[in-house]
Amino acid sequence: GEDVEQSLFLSVREGDSSVINCTYTDSSSTYLYWYKQEPGAGLQLLTYIFSNMDMKQDQRLTVLLNKKDKHLSLRIADTQTGDSAIYFCAESDYGGSQGNLIFGKGTKLSVKP
Amino acid sequence: DTEVTQTPKHLVMGMTNKKSLKCEQHMGHRAMYWYKQKAKKPPELMFVYSYEKLSINESVPSRFSPECPNSSLLNLHLHALQPEDSALYLCASSSEEGHNEQFFGPGTRLTVL
Repeated sequence: GEDVEQSLFLSVREGDSSVINCTYTDSSSTYLYWYKQEPGAGLQLLTYIFSNMDMKQDQRLTVLLNKKDKHLSLRIADTQTGDSAIYFCAESDYGGSQGNLIFGKGTKLSVKP
Repeated sequence: DTEVTQTPKHLVMGMTNKKSLKCEQHMGHRAMYWYKQKAKKPPELMFVYSYEKLSINESVPSRFSPECPNSSLLNLHLHALQPEDSALYLCASSSEEGHNEQFFGPGTRLTVL
């Protein structure tokens, strides 16, 4: 079945870049998402990429996709203390059944001043 | 309006109570979702409504009863819950078009005594 794997923790210093990694298993066309969840809050959609793309950039966020290795990364430039949160990687089947978002376990990003 | 709203924000109930969680969106989305999220875990899909019809029920116990009165509203009726049902309940919505970009509400923190 489909599976999404993430490392559980990442700690960086304020101002440094953060790179959060994710691997997925679905080999069909798919969308891949990054969500941010702050303590006690819902999930905020940060960005997404379709599996036929290599890279997507949106302000401080850069998503890189290695289709061969099924590896996705989220780079946050100039990381701030407000970026401290849990980051979920998720995939869904393009044109698949509604609701079929497969989440990773989440990476907890801690930003030290 | 690009928000998904949920009420109440917090709910404490006994095992014999009946309560309801409410979710609303005005983005014209035709798919709406209920997720359950335990602490330090990713969200788990419970139900999906597409065009106001239940399309996915992920083997959820019958003490959880979803309802979609119209395309903007989604309810989750709760009855005879167990303490292990205590969790953050998240609502999300997505357009039927293209990929499954889901927008989440802030959640309802449920505690069952």
